[in-house]
Amino acid sequence: AQKITQTQPGMFVQEKEAVTLDCTYDTSDQSYGLFWYKQPSSGEMIFLIYQGSYDEQNATEGRYSLNFQKARKSANLVISASQLGDSAMYFCAMRGPKSGYALNFGKGTSLLVTP
Amino acid sequence: EPEVTQTPSHQVTQMGQEVILRCVPISNHLYFYWYRQILGQKVEFLVSFYNNEISEKSEIFDDQFSVERPDGSNFTLKIRSTKLEDSAMYFCASKDRGNSPLHFGNGTRLTVT
Repeated sequence: AQKITQTQPGMFVQEKEAVTLDCTYDTSDQSYGLFWYKQPSSGEMIFLIYQGSYDEQNATEGRYSLNFQKARKSANLVISASQLGDSAMYFCAMRGPKSGYALNFGKGTSLLVTP
Repeated sequence: EPEVTQTPSHQVTQMGQEVILRCVPISNHLYFYWYRQILGQKVEFLVSFYNNEISEKSEIFDDQFSVERPDGSNFTLKIRSTKLEDSAMYFCASKDRGNSPLHFGNGTRLTVT
């Protein structure tokens, strides 16, 4: 069975600083995908970034990058140059190889960006 | 940009009543999902649907739950006899083939009284 662990219930960062949100996972699957979603206080789930288990390069999308360390089973999200609008819950999720491609989510990290 | 649409945004129902939550996935997507999020907790998988049948379901998705894709556009979640603990935000999501991400709707907040 898959397991996603986000050990930081809450994080603070000052505007314009970089922040790393931790995510570790456990799976026996060889093929899997890792995703990060943002959930602002308005409640919607916004896709940020994806990393496939066979991807050799770390994924990047604008200010978001994923620090993928396969041997350590970690997929940390790095947000560079934080903005006030980055304040939100952040969820790490994993997709296994089952036919439905369902995602299993971690418990989330609440990020607060301060001026 | 196409989006997943959910209605209603908020539904209040009495315990024991049936509710139907409605979703219009993105039109060319192939996989459809329901998730729920109890207030302050993580997003939990309920069910996935592909090729007009359930492809995966979680332990939460018991006999009280059912899904349907009655036409080419709608995707519904029915809860037959609601319980207090069904109160949550319910998210519909859809995805294209392969490694594409799930696109989520804005959710329906279900309150069971």
